[in-house]
Formats: sequence, C-alpha cells, structure tokens
Amino acid sequence: AQRVTQPEKLLSVFKGAPVELKCNYSYSGSPELFWYVQYSRQRLQLLLRHISRESIKGFTADLNKGETSFHLKKPFAQEEDSAMYYCALSGRGYSTLTFGKGTMLLVSP
Amino acid sequence: NAGVTQTPKFQVLKTGQSMTLQCAQDMNHNSMYWYRQDPGMGLRLIYYSASEGTTDKGEVPNGYNVSRLNKREFSLRLESAAPSQTSVYFCASSPPGREGRNEQFFGPGTRLTVL
Repeated sequence: AQRVTQPEKLLSVFKGAPVELKCNYSYSGSPELFWYVQYSRQRLQLLLRHISRESIKGFTADLNKGETSFHLKKPFAQEEDSAMYYCALSGRGYSTLTFGKGTMLLVSP
Repeated sequence: NAGVTQTPKFQVLKTGQSMTLQCAQDMNHNSMYWYRQDPGMGLRLIYYSASEGTTDKGEVPNGYNVSRLNKREFSLRLESAAPSQTSVYFCASSPPGREGRNEQFFGPGTRLTVL
C-alpha cells in the first residue's frame, strides 16, 4: 500500500527564515511525487512535481529515494507563502493520487 | 476556460436526506475524481473515473455513488446523508496520464454540512 506522511500539522516561521516542509512516502515501485498548495479560500493547485526539477515561487523539492523523502524547501519565507501544503504520490502509469494530511505554513511578519 | 466547476458551493442537509454534487470540466480531460477534505485527514479519494464510462472506488467510497454522465461531467450522490459526511468535497480532473505529468486540476469545492 502507498502512504504519504507529513509529520508536521503546523509550521510557524518568521518572514525571511528558511522553510522546510517534510514529506516521507512509502511505495514499492517508482513513485511520482508532487506538492500541492491551497491558499486561504482558494482551490488546490499544483506547486511542483519532482520530475520537472523546477523551482516555483522560490520553492524546491528533491526526491531522495534512499530516505523515501520529498521535502519542500524555501530559503527565505514570505508572508504570502502562508497556506496549506499537501504532498502527494502517484504510481508511475497511474492517475490517482495519495495525499498526505497536509502541513499548514504560517509566515509571520 | 472555466476549468473545473462545482455546484453548489454550500449545502446544509438533514440526516437521511439525499443530494447530488455536480462537477464539470471544460479541459477535455479523460480522468475525474471526487475527494473529501477533513481537518487533520488531508484529502481522501472517494471515487474516480479514469475515462468516460468507467468508475472505480477510492479510499472512502461507503455512503456515496457516482455517475460519469459524459466526458465533461462527474456527479457524486449521497443517498442518505449522515453527519459523518460533513466535509468539503473537491472534484478534480486530469489529462491522459503521461509519465510525471499527472497534474490534477481542482474545483473550488462544496462545503456540506449534515445536521
């Protein structure tokens, strides 16, 4: 069975501080990993996916197959980064996603 | 393009009542999904439809039924609502699967309260 674990329900940081939102997964095959973000009163939207190796809004995430992790990082948090962040996993070739329980990021001025 | 739309935005039901949540997408996507979002539980898949004419159970299908009416529309029905079904319901769609491109596009959600 596949599982996504986000150990922190809430992460509170000050503006300008580094941020790391943790995500660990369990999957027997080759996974596809994603980060989705939900800003207040908005719909979920894709933030980034591991295969693209891109940086969106200053966020990056590296897939570490040895540690089965896909942590989301940003060197300098901004107030507008405050949102709920979900890590999600898909099996290669499958369309369904398994989501973690989410981490609320609060960035204070 | 409106993307993924859902109706209604809000709904209050009494225990035992039935209702259908509507979802439509105008992106010509093959796959559609229904999730529920509960505090501390994240998003959990209720049902999905990989293509027109097919539906499959997700993680939490009990108490729900779905209909893939056509390629655009995917409805979720609660036959006899229970307080445990109080939640925010999200519909999503995705294009044909390509490796590493499994982006799902979400609707704005329906906030359902069952009294």
